[in-house]
Amino acid sequence: GAVVSQHPSRVICKSGTSVKIECRSLDFQATTMFWYRQFPKQSLMLMATSNEGSKATYEQGVEKDKFLINHASLTLSTLTVTSAHPEDSSFYICSASTGGNNSPLHFGNGTRLTVT
Amino acid sequence: ELKVEQNPLFLSMQEGKNYTIYCNYSTTSDRLYWYRQDPGKSLESLFVLLSNGAVKQEGRLMASLDTKARLSTLHITAAVHDLSATYFCAVDRGAQKLVFGQGTRLTINP
Repeated sequence: GAVVSQHPSRVICKSGTSVKIECRSLDFQATTMFWYRQFPKQSLMLMATSNEGSKATYEQGVEKDKFLINHASLTLSTLTVTSAHPEDSSFYICSASTGGNNSPLHFGNGTRLTVT
Repeated sequence: ELKVEQNPLFLSMQEGKNYTIYCNYSTTSDRLYWYRQDPGKSLESLFVLLSNGAVKQEGRLMASLDTKARLSTLHITAAVHDLSATYFCAVDRGAQKLVFGQGTRLTINP
């Protein structure tokens, strides 16, 4: 089956630094990738949608200058958390689609970010 | 704005019993998903429901969709400990952008 890989699976960084999370589709071309955030014991919230070769679309309330998304190829999207703060500590999960409303969605294994 | 509500949010049950998790959503959608999440892990896809009256079954889990009532159910039959997890429903608000329910934390006791 289709596999979406995220890296790193865990990362700890200091306040004020930036951290990059990668989301790769390993055996299919992902026209669209989605980034979700999940705070402890809470649900998932969509942060942004990225389409290969174009700018990401951010959900209301998500700072685009803080959460930089790049979808430079059909197999890779990156999320960079800039100037991280402890409140950015969360579980970040990407999902990928080949495009089209009827194509399946595949979720990555998630990245646990802890900002100290 | 699409809202998705699950109930119950917490469910503790004994092995061998049956129970149902409910997922209500506020506006029309083309598809509804059910996912399982184990602690510290990502999501495991369980079911995709695409049409009114859709029913899907996998092992001890069965999901159904009533688009007129905007209600989906996830029924657990003869629960076993291995089914302990958090279960999420998610509704497609368009272009595969999902709105998730709060999640139901299911604990199955021997």
